[in-house]
Amino acid sequence: DAGVTQSPTHLIKTRGQQVTLRCSPKSGHDTVSWYQQALGQGPQFIFQYYEEEERQRGNFPDRFSGHQFPNYSSELNVNALWLGDSALYLCASSLTGRSYEQYFGPGTRLTVT
Amino acid sequence: TQLLEQSPQFLSIQEGENLTVYCNSSSVFSSLQWYRQEPGEGPVLLVTVVTGGEVKKLKRLTFQFGDARKDSSLHITAAQPGDTGLYLCAGDQGSNYQLIWGAGTKLIIKP
Repeated sequence: DAGVTQSPTHLIKTRGQQVTLRCSPKSGHDTVSWYQQALGQGPQFIFQYYEEEERQRGNFPDRFSGHQFPNYSSELNVNALWLGDSALYLCASSLTGRSYEQYFGPGTRLTVT
Repeated sequence: TQLLEQSPQFLSIQEGENLTVYCNSSSVFSSLQWYRQEPGEGPVLLVTVVTGGEVKKLKRLTFQFGDARKDSSLHITAAQPGDTGLYLCAGDQGSNYQLIWGAGTKLIIKP
């Protein structure tokens, strides 16, 4: 039973560029949430996708956008990268109705220079 | 405003000692989860507590949900170096889909 997978594992981008991060949920899960985690801090909620739509959004600007595909996989896009966007980006999957129990992938470490 | 306050923020103890980590709030939660995260990896779900006063045990780890469902604790007995990591609590308020996260307790167990 495959767990949550994310790609790439590491990424270095230049300020102003755009980036796309990918996530495949745990088998049987239909809901994907994205988080940003700064070093030594708890995860900050970006948004959650269910049935290919953004169901809820945290306090992040419109530069952060996402997509969910029919197979439940998801992408996180960040436009016009800032230095402050450097962080670990985590994807978590869950089953609707039990979205409080989230299973995380290993994350993508994004560095913006 | 941090809705979930974790304490202590950092704890370094010797192998074999006992410890307790706290997760406190003035808000009521429908459920509360504890996760452990190791460097460079995603958080791993340890337990979910849903009933006020509930106690769950996972080997040497004991989790308790407060009677009013506003706080929780994690107690580790005879800590081992493998317990080292960032312990995060997260709460579900039931009315929306996002979890509320604490800032974490960084735990180091020295051999």
